[in-house]
Amino acid sequence: QKEVEQDPGPLSVPEGAIVSLNCTYSNSAFQYFMWYRQYSRKGPELLMYTYSSGNKEDGRFTAQVDKSSKYISLFIRDSQPSDSATYLCAMTGGGNKLTFGTGTQLKVEL
Amino acid sequence: ETGVTQSPTHLIKTRGQQVTLRCSSQSGHNTVSWYQQALGQGPQFIFQYYREEENGRGNFPPRFSGLQFPNYSSELNVNALELDDSALYLCASSLGANAYEQYFGPGTRLTVT
Repeated sequence: QKEVEQDPGPLSVPEGAIVSLNCTYSNSAFQYFMWYRQYSRKGPELLMYTYSSGNKEDGRFTAQVDKSSKYISLFIRDSQPSDSATYLCAMTGGGNKLTFGTGTQLKVEL
Repeated sequence: ETGVTQSPTHLIKTRGQQVTLRCSSQSGHNTVSWYQQALGQGPQFIFQYYREEENGRGNFPPRFSGLQFPNYSSELNVNALELDDSALYLCASSLGANAYEQYFGPGTRLTVT
């Protein structure tokens, strides 16, 4: 079983929809939770990170962490075609390496 | 502020050959981490360099090695290439060894035939 599980999709939504992306994990030592966006054939771009449980909002993006359930989410409001990409969750216990999910492919259609 | 850069963009090598990939860290960052991303997978941690020393290694064999230079740029060397080494190799830089604020370069796509 992988430490971080993420539905690979693809997930297709209409423009303007609210998108919910999720990851589950098994390692209770994880304390920092990141979301990266990766366009095709590009490197991952850090969207936001959250420490421990709680919510964090940045523009149209909201990250939620529920450590008791070992479940994290990224919500995208008013989704745009430019949001079409692969979204990777990543986690660390505060050490030097990130553990990634496999990524969810999102397509926002006009 | 200059972002993370990597070279070359892509290359093709033959099984058994050796390859060197290069990374320049973001301005102000002193730590470089390397990841391997196979097609359809998330990046896998190879190792990290902090203050020119290896600071942690993932589950990769010794034929994967690296260097960090005084200007914080870094190299990843892979010897005796295997077909399974075909992947996108990503370099990430950060200020300090903590992983939670790593910024990635565009990657080098390596194809081994």
